[in-house]
Amino acid sequence: NAGVTQTPKFRILKIGQSMTLQCTQDMNHNYMYWYRQDPGMGLKLIYYSVGAGITDKGEVPNGYNVSRSTTEDFPLRLELAAPSQTSVYFCASSGLIERDTEAFFGQGTRLTVV
Amino acid sequence: AQSVAQPEDQVNVAEGNPLTVKCTYSVSGNPYLFWYVQYPNRGLQFLLKYITGDNLVKGSYGFEAEFNKSQTSFHLKKPSALVSDSALYFCAVRGNTGRRALTFGSGTRLQVQP
Repeated sequence: NAGVTQTPKFRILKIGQSMTLQCTQDMNHNYMYWYRQDPGMGLKLIYYSVGAGITDKGEVPNGYNVSRSTTEDFPLRLELAAPSQTSVYFCASSGLIERDTEAFFGQGTRLTVV
Repeated sequence: AQSVAQPEDQVNVAEGNPLTVKCTYSVSGNPYLFWYVQYPNRGLQFLLKYITGDNLVKGSYGFEAEFNKSQTSFHLKKPSALVSDSALYFCAVRGNTGRRALTFGSGTRLQVQP
């Protein structure tokens, strides 16, 4: 059981470039999340989704876009990368029912914008 | 809006002594509460959760947490700390109605001295 898989693990982008961070889960979870974690800081919610076709903004959505065409996949798109987007990005998923509500996290994508 | 406060940036404790990491929350409706641990350069690992029922919740690695509704708190505890418990600990909350995004606290670094 792979859980939550994120790719790539590391990436260096130049200012103005674009990229997509991939996230897939194999637990049939309804909820999926994207967080960013700046050095020594907590997690800030970028976007989340409660099911295929439904997405919602979190605390820090500017500069990002998401889509949720399937239950399994929740890619995060960075358009026109800026140095302020240098961070570690975590994808997570969780279930709908009470016994399945804890979020499972991917290993993260370390992004540097130069 | 839901929120989580972890008032201590760092907690220092000697090995073998009990530890407490504090967390208070604000959320509409009944809370779903979680503790996660993060080791350096790793993703977040689930420790325990409170959904309903007994206020004292037991989790992984000997950790437990006490839900206190009147004080809106969910403090993490362990009777006897180990050096290997040294890590970054995050409290998180999710409501059971309306917007169900998972919101994290800023994290508390636990240092256990030999």
